Amino acid sequence: EVQLVQSGAEVKNPGESLKISCKGSGYSFTTYWIAWVRQKPGKGLEWMGRIFPSDSDTTYSPSFRGQVTISADKSTSTAYLQWSNLKASDTAMYYCARLEGIPLWGQGTLVTVSS
Amino acid sequence: QSALTQPASVSGSLGQSITISCTGTSSDVGSYNLVSWYQQHPGKAPKVMIYEVNKRPSGASNRFSGSKSGNTVSLTISGLQAEDEADYYCCSYTGSSTWVFGGGTKLTVL
Repeated sequence: EVQLVQSGAEVKNPGESLKISCKGSGYSFTTYWIAWVRQKPGKGLEWMGRIFPSDSDTTYSPSFRGQVTISADKSTSTAYLQWSNLKASDTAMYYCARLEGIPLWGQGTLVTVSS
Repeated sequence: QSALTQPASVSGSLGQSITISCTGTSSDVGSYNLVSWYQQHPGKAPKVMIYEVNKRPSGASNRFSGSKSGNTVSLTISGLQAEDEADYYCCSYTGSSTWVFGGGTKLTVL
């Protein structure tokens, strides 16, 4: 089955670091860009950036550059989104997605940042 | 870059047809056929209904169709059903290795 499976929900304190994952299967993971998309509670979808797993070429939205780091491990067909200094404003659902070809989305990872 | 422009809400009666518009610029929607539409029910992940302007993936109802004219793409839903009530988002490649979403449209089925 072609799918993207994300890691589970996280609850963190402000200032902590976090790395969430997105594992692809059922297709050639290294030949499609993987994007990360944020959705704050009750709000719309925001494109954060993307990575090409084959060579880890990465592009960020200006709104998210410097705020998060996108990486990938092609040996395990997994993409990552990480924060080094979480803020309450990072509380959101985060989706990984393949937006090219026939689009494919993960189930989402809920990140809650609260003291 | 700015989000694509969608109406905040649309409504239609059971069995009717509705169209949701999504307006971009000559740098995104106008230049590429890499536009997709997503349906999102509360608490669920987005589901692709249309990709590459007018292609429908397996599993998406044939009541959904897409089109493009200039810098605007449209999603048409015919024969509205209660389960079509959801939020809808358009998404386009922008050509600078980035993508952009529309602000979303809430569809109410009367």
